[in-house]
Amino acid sequence: EAQVTQNPRYLITVTGKKLTVTCSQNMNHEYMSWYRQDPGLGLRQIYYSMNVEVTDKGDVPEGYKVSRKEKRNFPLILESPSPNQTSLYFCASSKDRGEKLFFGSGTQLSVL
Amino acid sequence: RKEVEQDPGPFNVPEGATVAFNCTYSNSASQSFFWYRQDCRKEPKLLMSVYSSGNEDGRFTAQLNRASQYISLLIRDSKLSDSATYLCVVTPPYSGAGSYQLTFGKGTKLSVIP
Repeated sequence: EAQVTQNPRYLITVTGKKLTVTCSQNMNHEYMSWYRQDPGLGLRQIYYSMNVEVTDKGDVPEGYKVSRKEKRNFPLILESPSPNQTSLYFCASSKDRGEKLFFGSGTQLSVL
Repeated sequence: RKEVEQDPGPFNVPEGATVAFNCTYSNSASQSFFWYRQDCRKEPKLLMSVYSSGNEDGRFTAQLNRASQYISLLIRDSKLSDSATYLCVVTPPYSGAGSYQLTFGKGTKLSVIP
């Protein structure tokens, strides 16, 4: 089954404790991206990747890191999480820019 | 002018009604346009791509007006199950850096009432 797998589904952590949210797709997609969704602000893009080892900042990259060492994986790293990063996060992939996006199920992150 | 704007709603309509949403975009050279549906705290799912000639899928019709820079979504014979938030997505023109950066509207919330 074609899918984007995102883990964990829920995560509660404390300020400053490094964490990684994993994202993996099995569709051989070139394009992958991360979003955060906050009430009243909609979906905002954090980082995106056009291919292996090629990443770029989205609208709200501060406080986040990504890597794309393999085509299928695109982890989101928070080196020192802060409470303002409490949000609902989605990973997505598509065959190419301008194509249908497939989303992961989301990660609800709470930073205390 | 914001890059992509949608009326946040909520739109509260009775079952069977016809409802239309618009989404305006600022970059006249934008290339691809989509409507996604999102249920509460779930992942967005593609509803329709929007083509220049307009396209229809059952009760749903999407249209693109390049001259006025907006896309629209029309839902006929609304069902309770249509209650969701509808997001528009715009892809910028291909011009190197930044051209892979998608822009989502903030969404329009629809509630279909029995």
